[in-house]
Amino acid sequence: AQSVTQLGSHVSVSEGALVLLRCNYSSSVPPYLFWYVQYPNQGLQLLLKYTTGATLVKGINGFEAEFKKSETSFHLTKPSAHMSDAAEYFCAVSERGGSYIPTFGRGTSLIVHP
Amino acid sequence: DSGVTQTPKHLITATGQRVTLRCSPRSGDLSVYWYQQSLDQGLQFLIQYYNGEERAKGNILERFSAQQFPDLHSELNLSSLELGDSALYFCASSPSGGSGGFTDTQYFGPGTRLTVL
Repeated sequence: AQSVTQLGSHVSVSEGALVLLRCNYSSSVPPYLFWYVQYPNQGLQLLLKYTTGATLVKGINGFEAEFKKSETSFHLTKPSAHMSDAAEYFCAVSERGGSYIPTFGRGTSLIVHP
Repeated sequence: DSGVTQTPKHLITATGQRVTLRCSPRSGDLSVYWYQQSLDQGLQFLIQYYNGEERAKGNILERFSAQQFPDLHSELNLSSLELGDSALYFCASSPSGGSGGFTDTQYFGPGTRLTVL
């Protein structure tokens, strides 16, 4: 069975500071990993995904994430936060070779202070 | 704008009633996915259709059903509604189906907020 844990339901940063949103997963087989962003009153938007190959994945809006198999982690980072980054972020895992149905984390709300 | 449309935006109804949520996928996308987002359960996959056929099923209650029509729009039917069914229901679409669908980029609609009183 697969599961996702997002550490911290809320993360607060100052504008210009580093953004780090943590995601740990559990999967019995090599996973596919995703980060989604949800702005208020909108649906989810894919930020980036890891399927195979390079473990450092670059996404939209300056975000990137690194797949670390030994740590079962897929943390999301951005060097410099912008006010427009304030949103809810979801990590998801999907099992390769299984049903591929994704399991989502509970989400992390990113708050950006001026 | 993702190109996926959902109607209605808001729906308020009473326990025991039945409602239908509608989704139009992006032009050219053959797969439609339904998700439920609630405070209790978080974000959960419900069901996937690909080119008119059910392709994958998640945590969908027996009181819920879906279908995809020849023009590829999809409807999610929720019956015998309970208070706990109050949630945001999202539809997403992607070009392909099966396992490839879940690893495709899925494009989400703005959701339908269902309130059961």
